[in-house]
Amino acid sequence: KAGVTQTPRYLIKTRGQQVTLSCSPISGHRSVSWYQQTPGQGLQFLFEYFSETQRNKGNFPGRFSGRQFSNSRSEMNVSTLELGDSALYLCASSPETDLNEQYFGPGTRLTVT
Amino acid sequence: AQKITQTQPGMFVQEKEAVTLDCTYDTSDQSYGLFWYKQPSSGEMIFLIYQGSYDEQNATEGRYSLNFQKARKSANLVISASQLGDSAMYFCAMSQYGGSQGNLIFGKGTKLSVKP
Repeated sequence: KAGVTQTPRYLIKTRGQQVTLSCSPISGHRSVSWYQQTPGQGLQFLFEYFSETQRNKGNFPGRFSGRQFSNSRSEMNVSTLELGDSALYLCASSPETDLNEQYFGPGTRLTVT
Repeated sequence: AQKITQTQPGMFVQEKEAVTLDCTYDTSDQSYGLFWYKQPSSGEMIFLIYQGSYDEQNATEGRYSLNFQKARKSANLVISASQLGDSAMYFCAMSQYGGSQGNLIFGKGTKLSVKP
């Protein structure tokens, strides 16, 4: 079974631009969560989607948004990029029947210049 | 508020020896889950082991075991017979039941280096 995939793997953007990151969960998984990882703040929860609905949201500004499609693929969008948004963005999926395990993708490394 | 504390920023261990990575947590919930993840330099988070708050037995997965002491609110990871490939960052995390479990709370991590 294929793992969680994230595209693109690396991205360089300029301050003020917007960016969209994509995550394809493991087949059959309906829950997708997003995390931001930075050296200073560590791993922080962004939001979680289940069956196309945002079920939980972390403490991030409204510039960070996401959505989930009917095939469970998820996208997150960051508008008006700031230098501090440079981070590794990790996506994780969980099977509906066992929410104990979250399987992470390889991440998208975003650099804002 | 929930919190995970990992007090060891970095650790060294000799190959083939056992090592314990510390994790303490703080929560007022009765139902919660505790996880350990490994993050190699490639960046991907690899799930290692899970312990539920109501599980009476310590969780084990191959060379990994979780030393769960509920009264002390600790969930230490024990790696037996360390291998060079175990060199990585290790994160302890917690989730809560009774709602969405998609919001894992992570500690700052411990960087483990295995020496040959």
